[in-house]
Amino acid sequence: SYELTQPPSVSVSPGQTASITCSGDRLGDKDTWWYQQKPGQSPVLVIYQKSYRPPGIPERFSGSNSGNTATLTISGTQPMDEADYYCQAWDSTTGVFGTGTKVTVL
Amino acid sequence: QVQLQQSGPGLVKPSQTLSLTCDISGDTVSSNSAAWHWIRQSPSRGLEWLGRTYYRYKWYNDYVVSVKSRITINADTSKNQFSLQLNSVTPEDTAVYYCARGTGRYAGGFDYWGLGTLVTVSS
Repeated sequence: SYELTQPPSVSVSPGQTASITCSGDRLGDKDTWWYQQKPGQSPVLVIYQKSYRPPGIPERFSGSNSGNTATLTISGTQPMDEADYYCQAWDSTTGVFGTGTKVTVL
Repeated sequence: QVQLQQSGPGLVKPSQTLSLTCDISGDTVSSNSAAWHWIRQSPSRGLEWLGRTYYRYKWYNDYVVSVKSRITINADTSKNQFSLQLNSVTPEDTAVYYCARGTGRYAGGFDYWGLGTLVTVSS
């Protein structure tokens, strides 16, 4: 089965840039979505089709794909961005989520 | 504004059937531009997509291979809802279960989620 691997944790200082990677076979050939999940809440879509932001998502969130890796970048990270982040892709007709990354804003 | 309201029991005995329902407001289950998904989350398995139902002039279903023999997702157009049935559950099926909408607006991304239902499988 298709797998997406993320680092378990990323730490970032307020105002700095956080980069979260998501690795999967030929992931660069696929569309990728990113979700933010805060404790006790449902996930929220922050990036779709590799690099587009839904309305209401701050410009500091951006996405890119290349080779086997998709990357979510948070520029000028704010304390409110502390959350778990999950990538997601489709393997044919099956949805697949990444293993998740906890972003800590120190 | 789309809202997804989940309902169903929070405790299921091993070997029995887990049944959850997701009531839709602000959209229709038979929309030609949406798909309706069930996703679960547990500490051991993370987020796991289970399956979807969608209407494109007829009904379609897709399921993840790991539960394909045990799962059914159905749509009820008269109630504007969709449901999840998972048979022969074990403690490994203990998780928070979410319903979600996938929309063509975001190329299939899940833009609305239910609040989640914690389902515990225990005798």
